[in-house]
Amino acid sequence: EAQVTQNPRYLITVTGKKLTVTCSQNMNHEYMSWYRQDPGLGLRQIYYSMNVEVTDKGDVPEGYKVSRKEKRNFPLILESPSPNQTSLYFCASSSDRSGNQPQHFGDGTRLSIL
Amino acid sequence: LAKTTQPISMDSYEGQEVNITCSHNNIATNDYITWYQQFPSQGPRFIIQGYKTKVTNEVASLFIPADRKSSTLSLPRVSLSDTAVYYCLGPGGGSTLGRLYFGRGTQLTVWP
Repeated sequence: EAQVTQNPRYLITVTGKKLTVTCSQNMNHEYMSWYRQDPGLGLRQIYYSMNVEVTDKGDVPEGYKVSRKEKRNFPLILESPSPNQTSLYFCASSSDRSGNQPQHFGDGTRLSIL
Repeated sequence: LAKTTQPISMDSYEGQEVNITCSHNNIATNDYITWYQQFPSQGPRFIIQGYKTKVTNEVASLFIPADRKSSTLSLPRVSLSDTAVYYCLGPGGGSTLGRLYFGRGTQLTVWP
């Protein structure tokens, strides 16, 4: 089954404790992206990757890092989480790097930073 | 980057047709227009995509005028289960290839 898998689904942690949210897709997609969703603000792109070892900033990259060492995985790293990063996070992938092909989304990761 | 503008919310009753319009004034020549549906605490789900004129699938229709500066998602005979947020996606071509803008979407509420 074609899918995008995020882990963990839920996480409560404390300010400053490094965390990683993993994202993996099994569709051999070149394009992967991270979004955060906050009430009233819709989906905002954090980082995206159009190929292995190629990553770029989206609209809200501050406080986040990503890496794309292999095609299937695109982890989101919060080096020193802060409460304003409490949010619902989605990972997505697409066969087309321009965004002109539909994106497949994971089920989301709800992060709470205390 | 083709930023989009949609109504924040819409209300409808079961059985009615709902039309949600999105404006994307600076859409690039090669960009497709894509609509997604999102239920609470779930990831967005692809509904329909088009380039120009009209596209129809089993879920919805998409109308795109000749100038492509707007598009209208049409949901025929909505039911309570169509209550969701609908996003019109503006991809970024050229120097912003890969940059995608979902915006705030349109909250559709269907009443019995």
